[in-house]
Amino acid sequence: GESVGLHLPTLSVQEGDNSIINCAYSNSASDYFIWYKQESGKGPQFIIDIRSNMDKRQGQRVTVLLNKTVKHLSLQIAATQPGDSAVYFCAENPQDYSGGGADGLTFGKGTHLIIQP
Amino acid sequence: DSGVTQTPKHLITATGQRVTLRCSPRSGDLSVYWYQQSLDQGLQFLIQYYNGEERAKGNILERFSAQQFPDLHSELNLSSLELGDSALYFCASSVVEGRGYTFGSGTRLTVV
Repeated sequence: GESVGLHLPTLSVQEGDNSIINCAYSNSASDYFIWYKQESGKGPQFIIDIRSNMDKRQGQRVTVLLNKTVKHLSLQIAATQPGDSAVYFCAENPQDYSGGGADGLTFGKGTHLIIQP
Repeated sequence: DSGVTQTPKHLITATGQRVTLRCSPRSGDLSVYWYQQSLDQGLQFLIQYYNGEERAKGNILERFSAQQFPDLHSELNLSSLELGDSALYFCASSVVEGRGYTFGSGTRLTVV
């Protein structure tokens, strides 16, 4: 079936640098994407989302970019801090909820972001 | 604290047994989702309920079932447990279906 994947299982960055975590998806019908952060022993924490009618969305220190042409999603974290150390998952949902209907998210396998001092 | 409460946090049980995991969604959230997280499969969607009704099924085994009660809490029942069922089980909730899920801290199930 369709799946969402990540390019790298581990990403190591220096504290203070910008981090870029990439994700490739294969379901062209997906209209909604979410990035989650999961720290050890905790549940996934919502970071930022984006709908397919947008190509960029910014939050606090985070930016999500969506390239529908090549089915690529990325998460940029500015000025990476030790507290950013976690596993990051992208997730997609092919359903448009404006008309009802529901389905679960399809998660990628995650990228472990390691912050070096 | 995400506002989604899951109990118990840890559960150890023997093969062949049955367990019930409980989830209380955030106040006001009508949708509840169950996910299984294992090392080899990652996060897998199991089932979703909306205001008491089943809305979608994912990779949920027939040995597993769930329900959502009138007070909106949900229970995931796992029966005839096998070693391979050992995993983290997460519940998530949302106000609007499919948007901005909030996850609980999970139940770690160990089948021995």
